[in-house]
Amino acid sequence: GAVVSQHPSRVICKSGTSVKIECRSLDFQATTMFWYRQFPKKSLMLMATSNEGSKATYEQGVEKDKFLINHASLTLSTLTVTSAHPEDSSFYICSMPDQETQYFGPGTRLLVL
Amino acid sequence: GENVEQHPSTLSVQEGDSAVIKCTYSDSASNYFPWYKQELGKGPQLIIDIRSNVGEKKDQRIAVTLNKTAKHFSLHITETQPEDSAVYFCAASINGAGTALIFGKGTTLSVSS
Repeated sequence: GAVVSQHPSRVICKSGTSVKIECRSLDFQATTMFWYRQFPKKSLMLMATSNEGSKATYEQGVEKDKFLINHASLTLSTLTVTSAHPEDSSFYICSMPDQETQYFGPGTRLLVL
Repeated sequence: GENVEQHPSTLSVQEGDSAVIKCTYSDSASNYFPWYKQELGKGPQLIIDIRSNVGEKKDQRIAVTLNKTAKHFSLHITETQPEDSAVYFCAASINGAGTALIFGKGTTLSVSS
């Protein structure tokens, strides 16, 4: 199947700093990418839909100014958590559809101290 | 919007037994139903999916059935092995794999040898 990578795999930062997470498709192109957040022992919750060349669409309750999404190319989307706080600590996962299947990245573990 | 219910939340079986996980969805317009396996600290891995024009699909020890009338779909794992132990998520979308997935809450499967 298709390969989706994320970088970094884990990050620890101080409260108030910003963190950028990259999501990259290695062997296919995607005009749409999705960002999910997963708290411990919980399910995946959709945060936003990233569209190449246009603004992202955010789910209700997700602050667009806090979670900045940039879909710079057909193979790269980035999520920046601005002014991170401890409550933003979570597992962030991106996904990309390839033809008729949606593939997920390995996730990024964010810990805000 | 779409709502996906999944049960049981935990399932323990003996090696060699079968395991069945069931999901129901609310939006009759949903037409794509993937199943993902997630191991601790990793991103979800697609194990099988089914579309609304098919009632059943099988891949070696794994099978999925779909009942559109009742709006439910099930994952069947036969001859379970310890390496099948993981969290399994069902999901649904209204426009194939190209749109965001709505996930069930997950089932923790434990296979003991």
